[in-house]
Amino acid sequence: SAVISQKPSRDICQRGTSLTIQCQVDSQVTMMFWYRQQPGQSLTLIATANQGSEATYESGFVIDKFPISRPNLTFSTLTVSNLSPEDSSIYLCSVVEGRNQPQHFGDGTRLSIL
Amino acid sequence: KQEVTQIPAALSVPEGENLVLNCSFTDSAIYNLQWFRQDPGKGLTSLLLIQSSQREQTSGRLNASLDKSSGRSTLYIAASQPGDSATYLCAVTQGYALNFGKGTSLLVTP
Repeated sequence: SAVISQKPSRDICQRGTSLTIQCQVDSQVTMMFWYRQQPGQSLTLIATANQGSEATYESGFVIDKFPISRPNLTFSTLTVSNLSPEDSSIYLCSVVEGRNQPQHFGDGTRLSIL
Repeated sequence: KQEVTQIPAALSVPEGENLVLNCSFTDSAIYNLQWFRQDPGKGLTSLLLIQSSQREQTSGRLNASLDKSSGRSTLYIAASQPGDSATYLCAVTQGYALNFGKGTSLLVTP
């Protein structure tokens, strides 16, 4: 299965700043996703990162707040902009190589806002 | 909208017990169901994937069953060990993205 490296593993940021999270996969994958896990909650899909085109966002998530890049089939970034305390969460990237293949996750980025 | 529910929310058992975690989903039109394990401060580890045409999957001491028509899945853990302590998440997909339950937090005591 694909090995996923996510950076940073954790960060503490000031309100109003932005944080960019990187996700690197050791093989080319078609489908890559970004999820958010708020404290005490389960995972919620933010968007599908599309290679070479704009990401597809889920209801409640917008590009201005969560811009995503996917320059190739092994790498993606998620930026969380204009940070507020409500953005304190774990952010995870995941990949899947086919419709009936298991989805694999990075270790996540734990973000806290001061 | 697909809703995934996991019962119980938390479970504490002594080492050696067999246990069952439950997952239900509202829309039976799924491609597959996946069980994950999440350790504190960590990402998700995939345990088992059951395709919609399958009834069960086994891996070591883990056995997952799927009754798609009734919208239910169970994860059976045999002979539990303290190292099994973690949060277990159930997720279904109707495409590629996953819909998750809130998880069952399992504590296995020595």
